Amino acid sequence: DAKTTQPTSMDCAEGRAANLPCNHSTISGNEYVYWYRQIHSQGPQYIIHGLKNNETNEMASLIITEDRKSSTLILPHATLRDTAVYYCIVMGYGGATNKLIFGTGTLLAVQP
Amino acid sequence: AAGVIQSPRHLIKEKRETATLKCYPIPRHDTVYWYQQGPGQDPQFLISFYEKMQSDKGSIPDRFSAQQFSDYHSELNMSSLELGDSALYFCASSLLLTGVNSGYTFGSGTRLTVV
Repeated sequence: DAKTTQPTSMDCAEGRAANLPCNHSTISGNEYVYWYRQIHSQGPQYIIHGLKNNETNEMASLIITEDRKSSTLILPHATLRDTAVYYCIVMGYGGATNKLIFGTGTLLAVQP
Repeated sequence: AAGVIQSPRHLIKEKRETATLKCYPIPRHDTVYWYQQGPGQDPQFLISFYEKMQSDKGSIPDRFSAQQFSDYHSELNMSSLELGDSALYFCASSLLLTGVNSGYTFGSGTRLTVV
């Protein structure tokens, strides 16, 4: 699976949009981009995933560049409860051996 | 909606003892994953099961073993515990065919402390 690079930490003001970048320059054609987050000591939580089109759900939006080498997770109106470590993970589809491999994510601190 | 249930939530063991962690996946999910997260570390993949068969193995010590039972629950058995085994242990489940679309669901974890 392709490696990802994320900033170690970011700050965001409460109520503002949080834009979390991720580089995945070695992504292959059949690999998806997943985003998970982990609030302190809780189990990781699925946020969103995409292949090449931009995606939106009730939690966030995912913008994937046309060359698929990078993506941005957008939390439109960050709240204090969004403070967490955000993981960008690239993973192929299907197969009994597909598994999430967590790298070093981004610690997002939402400030009041 | 039912979530992934892990038990116990907290466990304290002495060195060289054994521990058993349990995971009850979401009903109808066919795949279970185990992860270990040490203090200040990112979750590390240990092992996974698909339809009660081991499907993949990560950095799981030989002292650890796991299995998935006929009712799809899974147990992680840890023997000869060491201080370094102190960590959060997460279980996740997914439905393989739709795993891409639904994401993996993680339990709340078991915090193991070895003293």
